[in-house]
Amino acid sequence: NAGVMQNPRHLVRRRGQEARLRCSPMKGHSHVYWYRQLPEEGLKFMVYLQKENIIDESGMPKERFSAEFPKEGPSILRIQQVVRGDSAAYFCASSPTVNTGELFFGEGSRLTVL
Amino acid sequence: SQQGEEDPQALSIQEGENATMNCSYKTSINNLQWYRQNSGRGLVHLILIRSNEREKHSGRLRVTLDTSKKSSSLLITASRAADTASYFCATDEGGANNLFFGTGTRLTVIP
Repeated sequence: NAGVMQNPRHLVRRRGQEARLRCSPMKGHSHVYWYRQLPEEGLKFMVYLQKENIIDESGMPKERFSAEFPKEGPSILRIQQVVRGDSAAYFCASSPTVNTGELFFGEGSRLTVL
Repeated sequence: SQQGEEDPQALSIQEGENATMNCSYKTSINNLQWYRQNSGRGLVHLILIRSNEREKHSGRLRVTLDTSKKSSSLLITASRAADTASYFCATDEGGANNLFFGTGTRLTVIP
């Protein structure tokens, strides 16, 4: 049973470009969470999705950021018109149930904005 | 923002010694979890303790929870160099649908 798969692992973008980060949850998991981690800091919650629904996006910046989890395919975190402050590691996690038990994390996507 | 706070921020010990990390949080919780993160990697779940539990063990890990003080501790006994990592506590404060992570303790175990 493959774990949570994130790609790309590393992404370099110039200011103003778009970044798309993908996450395939563990098999049988329908709950996906995205977190952002700045260097030497903890994880900051961004968004929680179930299939085809955004459940909680309270941690998502209001502009330039969007997330989706379609019926088929991976969850996508999209950052438009990236700025240097978007440089961070973005982690996806999945869980099989809605209760906040154990989360299974991917290895992260490290975005560098030049 | 809702977030736990770990202390110390960094801890350096000799192999074989015990390591203790503490976590404080702000509001009511259903459970508290500890995760480990090796440098450049994702987080790995270590242990979950429910709000009605006071202590839990898993191998060389011992976790305590004091809901009256809104604090938890993680003890790693007989540490090994391979235990070198960052350790984070996480809570579902206020019945949130997600986990809020602390700032982490960076543990270095010197061989």
